[in-house]
Amino acid sequence: DAMVIQNPRYQVTQFGKPVTLSCSQTLNHNVMYWYQQKSSQAPKLLFHYYDKDFNNEADTPDNFQSRRPNTSFCFLDIRSPGLGDAAMYLCATSRDRPRQETQYFGPGTRLLVL
Amino acid sequence: GENVEQHPSTLSVQEGDSAVIKCTYSDSASNYFPWYKQELGKGPQLIIDIRSNVGEKKDQRIAVTLNKTAKHFSLHITETQPEDSAVYFCAASSNDYKLSFGAGTTVTVRA
Repeated sequence: DAMVIQNPRYQVTQFGKPVTLSCSQTLNHNVMYWYQQKSSQAPKLLFHYYDKDFNNEADTPDNFQSRRPNTSFCFLDIRSPGLGDAAMYLCATSRDRPRQETQYFGPGTRLLVL
Repeated sequence: GENVEQHPSTLSVQEGDSAVIKCTYSDSASNYFPWYKQELGKGPQLIIDIRSNVGEKKDQRIAVTLNKTAKHFSLHITETQPEDSAVYFCAASSNDYKLSFGAGTTVTVRA
C-alpha cells in the first residue's frame, strides 16, 4: 500500500546530541512536511519541501534542519536537542501545494531527550 | 493569519449516540476543511474533508457540514462505537500550503 513511513517510531537521545529522524513515502507526492506535536496540542508546522525547494516557518528554531535528497525521502535533523524538543514528530505529504490538496500523515516518531 | 477555534475540548458520549464537534475559522478565503482522527501514539488520519463549493459531505457514519457565511464547519458522528474514541482535529487551509489546526477534541465513547 502507498503510504508515509517514519523511522524510528521511538528515539531516545541525550541533551545536546544530534539526532536525525527519517521519513519516506511511496505516494510520489511533490510536497513533504515536518510537524512537531507536543502532548495534548495540535501539530505545529516546522517546514516543508515543495519538490527541492525548502520553505522554513518563521518561528522554527535554527536548531531544526531538514534535507530532502530525493522525492521519496526527507530527514529532520535536530542539531542540539534540548529537553523542550521532546515531542512527537510527524511527517506528512501532499500531491501538490495548491490549497485544496490533502495532507497525509505518517505514524510519527516519538523523541525523548534525556 | 488563519485562526481556527474548536469546541468542545472533550466530549463523552454513550455508545450508539451521536457526537458533534464544531469549528470556526477567521479567514474568509479559506476553502478546504479536513478532519483528522488521531489515536494514542499514532499520526493523524484523514477521515473526511470538504471543499468550499459544497455545504455537506457524508461518508457512512461521518458527515461534515460547512457554513461559509458564518465561517463554521462541523463534524457529525452517528451511532458512535468504542473505536471512535480518539482525538479529532479540524483544520482550514488559508494559503497554498499551510493547514491551521484547531486545538483538538478528545472523544470518549462509553460502552
